[in-house]
Amino acid sequence: GQNIDQPTEMTATEGAIVQINCTYQTSGFNGLFWYQQHAGEAPTFLSYNVLDGLEEKGRFSSFLSRSKGYSYLLLKELQMKDSASYLCAVMDSNYQLIWGAGTKLIIKP
Amino acid sequence: ETGVTQTPRHLVMGMTNKKSLKCEQHLGHNAMYWYKQSAKKPLELMFVYNFKEQTENNSVPSRFSPECPNSSHLFLHLHTLQPEDSALYLCASSHDPGQGGEKLFFGSGTQLSVL
Repeated sequence: GQNIDQPTEMTATEGAIVQINCTYQTSGFNGLFWYQQHAGEAPTFLSYNVLDGLEEKGRFSSFLSRSKGYSYLLLKELQMKDSASYLCAVMDSNYQLIWGAGTKLIIKP
Repeated sequence: ETGVTQTPRHLVMGMTNKKSLKCEQHLGHNAMYWYKQSAKKPLELMFVYNFKEQTENNSVPSRFSPECPNSSHLFLHLHTLQPEDSALYLCASSHDPGQGGEKLFFGSGTQLSVL
């Protein structure tokens, strides 16, 4: 079957760096997405990786290793507003999105 | 108004009620989706509409009935629901489904409680 694994919850300190991991086993691969979802709000697109390597976008970076079935989302200079759930999703060979259960990130002052 | 708008934000209904969820997108997209989000579970795709035609129905019980009158509006009609149907129901849209890198734009969802 198809599966996406990510930690259920993580805690980090304001101003620090945190890395949220995502591992996947899917039928084919057409890219990996990260979405951010604040409590009670819509998920919003953060990043898309289809080739191996690191994509940097301001304080957020996303890394992909297709051979390892692994990605991470790196958040730098953490701010209180970064407290949210982070959803990992993989597009399989049929262009269907397979979702992880999300990682709830708690930022402490 | 821009983006994807869902109403109502919250809904409490009994198991014998009939209600409808509404979604509207102002992005000019061709595809619209209904997802179910339960606590600590992955998003579950329920229905997909592409150019107003239903292209996917992921074995959803018949007590959920979608309707897509045009490419900007999507409804989810609910009747005789069960308590396990309590969840956040998210609507999303995208420009063209079945494309690599196609990102979804979500509404804020309807938090549904079935008593």
